Amino acid sequence: KAGVTQTPRYLIKTRGQQVTLSCSPISGHRSVSWYQQTPGQGLQFLFEYFSETQRNKGNFPGRFSGRQFSNSRSEMNVSTLELGDSALYLCASSLSTGYSSNSPLHFGNGTRLTVT
Amino acid sequence: QKEVEQNSGPLSVPEGAIASLNCTYSDRVSQSFFWYRQYSGKSPELIMSIYSNGDKEDGRFTAQLNKASQYVSLLIRDSQPSDSATYLCAPQTGANNLFFGTGTRLTVIP
Repeated sequence: KAGVTQTPRYLIKTRGQQVTLSCSPISGHRSVSWYQQTPGQGLQFLFEYFSETQRNKGNFPGRFSGRQFSNSRSEMNVSTLELGDSALYLCASSLSTGYSSNSPLHFGNGTRLTVT
Repeated sequence: QKEVEQNSGPLSVPEGAIASLNCTYSDRVSQSFFWYRQYSGKSPELIMSIYSNGDKEDGRFTAQLNKASQYVSLLIRDSQPSDSATYLCAPQTGANNLFFGTGTRLTVIP
């Protein structure tokens, strides 16, 4: 079974631009979560989608948004990029169905975003 | 604010020794607990999950959970150089989120 696929692997953008990252979950997984990882802050939860609905949201500004499609694929968008948005963005999928779940996350290889 | 605290390390152990990684969490409703390993430049990979108090063994890895003390640990027996990585503790809340600790960097010295 194919794992979580994220594209692109690397991105270089300029301050003020916007960026869209893509994630294809493991087949059969309907929950997709996004995390930001930086050396100083570790893994920070951005949001989680299930059945095209955002179920949970972390403590990030509105410049960070996402969506999920009917095939469970998900995209994340960051508008008006800032230098501090430089990070590894990780997508993860899980078998979670209900709101309360004990299904682990399975991570993709991530997208390394550099903002200059 | 949910918090996860891990011994920050770095932790260095000689090859063949036992590595002990500790984690405390603040959210009492957490029911599921996961340990992830992350090699430098790679994404986290799941190595252990534990849901009940007590010990759970899988090969050289043993996870220990004490919900009353809000404590979870990971023991790696017969440590190998290939175990050198950052280990992330992740309790799961009822909201289907994983909150990650900042990780413990482990180095196994040959």
